[in-house]
Amino acid sequence: DTAVSQTPKYLVTQMGNDKSIKCEQNLGHDTMYWYKQDSKKFLKIMFSYNNKELIINETVPNRFSPKSPDKAHLNLHINSLELGDSAVYFCASSLATGEEAFFGQGTRLTVV
Amino acid sequence: QKEVEQDPGPLSVPEGAIVSLNCTYSNSAFQYFMWYRQYSRKGPELLMYTYSSGNKEDGRFTAQVDKSSKYISLFIRDSQPSDSATYLCAMNGRNTGFQKLVFGTGTRLLVSP
Repeated sequence: DTAVSQTPKYLVTQMGNDKSIKCEQNLGHDTMYWYKQDSKKFLKIMFSYNNKELIINETVPNRFSPKSPDKAHLNLHINSLELGDSAVYFCASSLATGEEAFFGQGTRLTVV
Repeated sequence: QKEVEQDPGPLSVPEGAIVSLNCTYSNSAFQYFMWYRQYSRKGPELLMYTYSSGNKEDGRFTAQVDKSSKYISLFIRDSQPSDSATYLCAMNGRNTGFQKLVFGTGTRLLVSP
């Protein structure tokens, strides 16, 4: 009964490709997030959605497009992947915006 | 200067030691403070959540907040090898519109048997 689950866990792809990461939460939370964690373990918020509405877009290149079909799902599509996009991407959810967040297990993206 | 500063470590201690992990922050508008534990190749896991200045205890873990010094701590008593992980502080407040958590860079803790 995973609370926040994201797929795939690992993603290796070539520069220029387009890829998607999916996330689902079964906690009944209203808010979902995408975070990026770099090689130095720094966690930075990318997007947040509250009840399917975009709340935060943290100056992320528009090659990254989140989509929330319903409040339990938040997907991330990345176009024209670049080497610098290599990182671990975490989905998270919270009961309300800005409250303590519960994280998925991460998607390790490697762009070669 | 980062909004939240945290020594990256690694911090190496023997089993049974008392561990002190710390974060400093620059913006006095932060009001909510959290500690997360992250094992290698796993997602961060919420350990402690505090609001006001003072101490909060949960088992071997104690979270301490000193808003006047803009300093928060996590103490781990009787540390175990299973406590070896990266510990991240996170905070939220009026400065973020209460809309997002700002994380420290994490401190890597190694507890040797």
